[in-house]
Amino acid sequence: KAGVTQTPRYLIKTRGQQVTLSCSPISGHRSVSWYQQTPGQGLQFLFEYFSETQRNKGNFPGRFSGRQFSNSRSEMNVSTLELGDSALYLCASRGGDGANVLTFGAGSRLTVL
Amino acid sequence: AQSVSQHNHHVILSEAASLELGCNYSYGGTVNLFWYVQYPGQHLQLLLKYFSGDPLVKGIKGFEAEFIKSKFSFNLRKPSVQWSDTAEYFCAVNPYSGNTPLVFGKGTRLSVIA
Repeated sequence: KAGVTQTPRYLIKTRGQQVTLSCSPISGHRSVSWYQQTPGQGLQFLFEYFSETQRNKGNFPGRFSGRQFSNSRSEMNVSTLELGDSALYLCASRGGDGANVLTFGAGSRLTVL
Repeated sequence: AQSVSQHNHHVILSEAASLELGCNYSYGGTVNLFWYVQYPGQHLQLLLKYFSGDPLVKGIKGFEAEFIKSKFSFNLRKPSVQWSDTAEYFCAVNPYSGNTPLVFGKGTRLSVIA
């Protein structure tokens, strides 16, 4: 079974730009969660999508948004980038049968200059 | 809101030393508990989990964790660490039922020296 795939793995943007990150979950998994990982802050929850609907949302500004497609692939978008948005963005999927185990992708490392 | 506290930011041990990483959570109901590990340059992977039953759970690579409900704790242990255990360790929790997100602690960086 293929794991969780995230693209791109690395990207560099400048302040004010916007970025879109993509995540393909494990086949059959309908839930996709996004986390922001920064040194010293650990993993902070951004949002979770299930069957194309946002099921949970973390405490991030509206510049952070996401969506999920009918094939369960998910994208997250950050608009008007700030220096503080530099982080590793992690995507994780889990089965829709109540299983609570998240399987993570390798992440997309965003650097904002 | 739930929160997870990991007491140690950075732990340095010599090979063969014993390891205990603390984790406390704040949630009054029944919980699912997890430890994840992130080796240098690799993605987060599940080390072990507790859903119910025996409060002493065993995971991969000789790790174990004990759930103490009265202390809201889920400490990670390993009797003898190896250099290859150098990694960042994250404790996480979510309620037993429902579809609430997993809440992570800030992580503990473990450095094992020869």
